[in-house]
Amino acid sequence: EIVLTQSPGTLSLSPGERATLSCRASQSISSSYIAWYQQKPGQAPRLLIYGASSRATGIPDRFSGSGSGTDFILTIRGLEPEDFAVYYCQQYGYSPRTFGQGTRLEIK
Amino acid sequence: QVQLQQWGAGLLKPSETLSLSCSVHGESFSGYYWTWIRQPPGKGLEWIGEINESGSTSYNPSLESRVTISLDTSKNQFSLKLTSVTAADAALYYCARGPSQRIFTQLGFYYNGVDVWGQGTTVTVSS
Repeated sequence: EIVLTQSPGTLSLSPGERATLSCRASQSISSSYIAWYQQKPGQAPRLLIYGASSRATGIPDRFSGSGSGTDFILTIRGLEPEDFAVYYCQQYGYSPRTFGQGTRLEIK
Repeated sequence: QVQLQQWGAGLLKPSETLSLSCSVHGESFSGYYWTWIRQPPGKGLEWIGEINESGSTSYNPSLESRVTISLDTSKNQFSLKLTSVTAADAALYYCARGPSQRIFTQLGFYYNGVDVWGQGTTVTVSS
């Protein structure tokens, strides 16, 4: 099973700042199979990024993904108030399709 | 626009069987894996398993001995059964579409993530 480790656990930033969230895999994964999700309280997760760097439909371009091998990054430029949420990475190239434990992005 | 609507019993006693169903509106089953994911209160996401249009399944090894995912194409729905539940199975359960199988474009191909989610069903286990 591929373990995904997200860091930091909690990130405290102010609106307008840049957020950098990390997802490290226990073994190399093709970037084709990395996704990022945003989850707000009381809501289902929402797909932000697939294939490590492609934005899902309707996702603003302040969200971007990058990385390869074992290290993947989600960057949010110019944080908006609605961006403060929990973010999860997922690998879907191998079964079981594992998630990271999440990074909570909170308002400083 | 694809929509998933899920239902099932939300209160179970220990040792009972959890049974949830998910109706797919606006899409056929082809080209995607159809997935169940759960989230214990205050915790992260756990992948339970998936099924494709052919009925081929894959399960989380931690649950494999107790879980069955099935497909009913005539009703356009898929289902989850989890036997012998305990308090550790209490969670918000989601049905979802994705990941996709290979999607071809003019520029090449890609694999989409889990892009459509049901509304979630809270399952409580209590004697």
